[in-house]
Formats: sequence, structure tokens, C-alpha cells
Amino acid sequence: KAGVTQTPRYLIKTRGQQVTLSCSPISGHRSVSWYQQTPGQGLQFLFEYFSETQRNKGNFPGRFSGRQFSNSRSEMNVSTLELGDSALYLCASGSGSGTGNTIYFGEGSWLTVV
Amino acid sequence: GENVEQHPSTLSVQEGDSAVIKCTYSDSASNYFPWYKQELGKGPQLIIDIRSNVGEKKDQRIAVTLNKTAKHFSLHITETQPEDSAVYFCAASGGTSYGKLTFGQGTILTVHP
Repeated sequence: KAGVTQTPRYLIKTRGQQVTLSCSPISGHRSVSWYQQTPGQGLQFLFEYFSETQRNKGNFPGRFSGRQFSNSRSEMNVSTLELGDSALYLCASGSGSGTGNTIYFGEGSWLTVV
Repeated sequence: GENVEQHPSTLSVQEGDSAVIKCTYSDSASNYFPWYKQELGKGPQLIIDIRSNVGEKKDQRIAVTLNKTAKHFSLHITETQPEDSAVYFCAASGGTSYGKLTFGQGTILTVHP
């Protein structure tokens, strides 16, 4: 069974640009969530989607957005990039609709903003 | 919201020794507590998890204990090996958080041969 797949793995962007990251969850999983990982702030929750609806949202500015498609694949977008957005962006997929679902992570997308 | 505290931030052991990492959480509604291992350049890998209706769970050299009254849970690794060296994260979720995990700050475990 394939794991969580994220693309691209590495990318470099310039301040002010926008970026779109993609995630394919484990087959059959309908929950997809996104996290930002930085050395200073650790792992921080961005948002979660379930059946194409945003179910939960973290404390990030509106420049960070996401969506989920009918096949459960998800994308997240960051507009007007800032240097502080440089981070590892992790996608995770979950197996069920309730709480306490087992959650698996992808390898992440490394974003560098210059 | 939920807050998870993890200790120690670094842990150094000799091969064959045991390692213990502890976490405390604040939200009594939390009912799911996974542990992840993250190696350099990789995403977090789920190594064991426990739900609130269980006090202890074991998988070979790894065990997790949960004390709901005290709101803390711990990861125990026995007979450590150099390949256990990594960053370990605890997390918690539950209530209305659905797929949202709140993570601890991480523990850098180094196992010396």
C-alpha cells in the first residue's frame, strides 16, 4: 500500500511569489492535514480537510490556504511568500471520520524562500 | 487549546541501555496519543500509539504508558541500538480536534555504540 506522497520535495521561491504544494493521501483515507515544521516553532498544525471540507484550522495568516479534491488529494497554497515561510511542509492522512484516527505523514516538501 | 510538553529535549544513552521520554498534556478531552520518530531529511514515522481506554501498549522494544489522571504519557525504548538515534515527538488529539495533532517540542535521542 503506497504511503502519503508529497510533491515537489524541494523548491526555492523568491519573496512575494506564491507556491502550491500537493499531497496524495494513503488510498482510502479521507482526512488530509498539513503541518509546518521549523527549528524554532516545531511542528505546527495548518489545517485539515475531510471530504473536501475544511474541518479544522490552525493559527496561520490567510496567506496560507488549502483545498481537497473529490479523490481526497489535497493542495496547499502560500501567497506573497515571506522569508519566514521557509520550512518543511508536511502532509498527513488519517483513516477515519472521528477523533483519534491513526495519522501517517509524508516525507514533506522543503520550501526555501530567498 | 491543547498544549503538550515533552522532556527531555536531548537524551544520550549507551547502546543497550533504556531510554524514556515523557510528555504531559493539558486537554482532558484528548484521547489519542501517538509517538513519531523523525530521521534527518524525512517525515515523521509513526512508531506506536495509545488510546485513552488503554494504560499500556508494547511493541517489541518499544512501549508507551498513559496516566489519564495525571495527564501524562511516556515512551520507553529498551535495548537501544544506534539506529534508534533520531528525533522523537509525542502528540495528542481528541475531542473536536479530529485530525489535528498537537505536538511536543521533540527529543533528540543519541545512542552511542
